[in-house]
Amino acid sequence: GQSLEQPSEVTAVEGAIVQINCTYQTSGFYGLSWYQQHDGGAPTFLSYNGLDGLEETGRFSSFLSRSDSYGYLLLQELQMKDSASYFCAVPQSGTYKYIFGTGTRLKVLA
Amino acid sequence: DGGITQSPKYLFRKEGQNVTLSCEQNLNHDAMYWYRQDPGQGLRLIYYSQIVNDFQKGDIAEGYSVSREKKESFPLTVTSAQKNPTAFYLCAGANANTGELFFGEGSRLTVL
Repeated sequence: GQSLEQPSEVTAVEGAIVQINCTYQTSGFYGLSWYQQHDGGAPTFLSYNGLDGLEETGRFSSFLSRSDSYGYLLLQELQMKDSASYFCAVPQSGTYKYIFGTGTRLKVLA
Repeated sequence: DGGITQSPKYLFRKEGQNVTLSCEQNLNHDAMYWYRQDPGQGLRLIYYSQIVNDFQKGDIAEGYSVSREKKESFPLTVTSAQKNPTAFYLCAGANANTGELFFGEGSRLTVL
């Protein structure tokens, strides 16, 4: 089967940098995605890594190491509005079946 | 505007009743999904459909049913066989080129 593990909660202060990790077990690999979800809202897409390395999108970056079955989301210059839950997700090998990680709740303190 | 539209946003039902949640999309996505989310938890896949007239069970399909008669529509029925149906239900479509999932705003079901 497939599984994705994330820390349950991370706390940081405004202006800081925080890293949210995701380790995965999959049969085959077709890329790792990240989503943000505010309380009561729907998840929104943040980034995608299909190959090893760092992808940067503004204050958010995402990293992937396929050899380590590991990725992370890096949030820089934290703002209060970044307080949300963050999920990593992968498609099951060769299908459109997307599986989500356990989710990490980020609290940004003033 | 293009997107995924779910309705109703809030729904209450009595035990023993079936209820159908609507999901419509105008993004021309072939693949559509239903996820369930319990408070403080992640997203669990109920059903997904890759093409019209075809769908597959996800990890928690028991007590649910779906249909995909049109590309634009993927309704979910929560049946009386679902023992703990109170949850937040999310519908999504997938962009085949990027793999990005687009979610609707969700339907919050409460069983009284």
